[in-house]
Amino acid sequence: LAKTTQPISMDSYEGQEVNITCSHNNIATNDYITWYQQFPSQGPRFIIQGYKTKVTNEVASLFIPADRKSSTLSLPRVSLSDTAVYYCLVGDIDTGGFKTIFGAGTRLFVKA
Amino acid sequence: AAGVIQSPRHLIKEKRETATLKCYPIPRHDTVYWYQQGPGQDPQFLISFYEKMQSDKGSIPDRFSAQQFSDYHSELNMSSLELGDSALYFCASGFRLGAGNEQFFGPGTRLTVL
Repeated sequence: LAKTTQPISMDSYEGQEVNITCSHNNIATNDYITWYQQFPSQGPRFIIQGYKTKVTNEVASLFIPADRKSSTLSLPRVSLSDTAVYYCLVGDIDTGGFKTIFGAGTRLFVKA
Repeated sequence: AAGVIQSPRHLIKEKRETATLKCYPIPRHDTVYWYQQGPGQDPQFLISFYEKMQSDKGSIPDRFSAQQFSDYHSELNMSSLELGDSALYFCASGFRLGAGNEQFFGPGTRLTVL
């Protein structure tokens, strides 16, 4: 399983765009990149997943460069309720979906 | 929509006692995962099941065991409890080969060992 590295914490203000970058230098060819959000005392919640280039949904965008050694989660116009921990996971969803390793996530704090 | 159900939501035990946590996955999901999250820590993968068979193991102590039953619900059995076992225990379910391999997490069971 590829190891991931994220910033420990980030601060932002309401209405700003937040970009959280995750490094995964030893990502394998079959690995996908998945991001989860977790609020205190709640289970993580799936945000977005991608393999390459750009993926967008109603919540966020995920940018993955051609070498796939990093990825950036982009949260547009954050609000106070986006204060949470964000986890980047890398794994083979075809064969490795049984063992999910959460690394140290990024604690995002959104201020008014 | 149905979500993952975990019971009990809160559990208080004494050291050296046993505890059983239950998880009811979303109907038709074929994979169940168990995680442990200590205070201020990140979720740690314990064990997973695919179609009722144990699939993978993470940092699960030998004092813990788990199984998935014919109705797909799963139980995490914890014996000889230690103070350090106090944590939130999450169960998640999903499709092994589903779109995005998304895992749906339950609300968790908060275990306190005194």
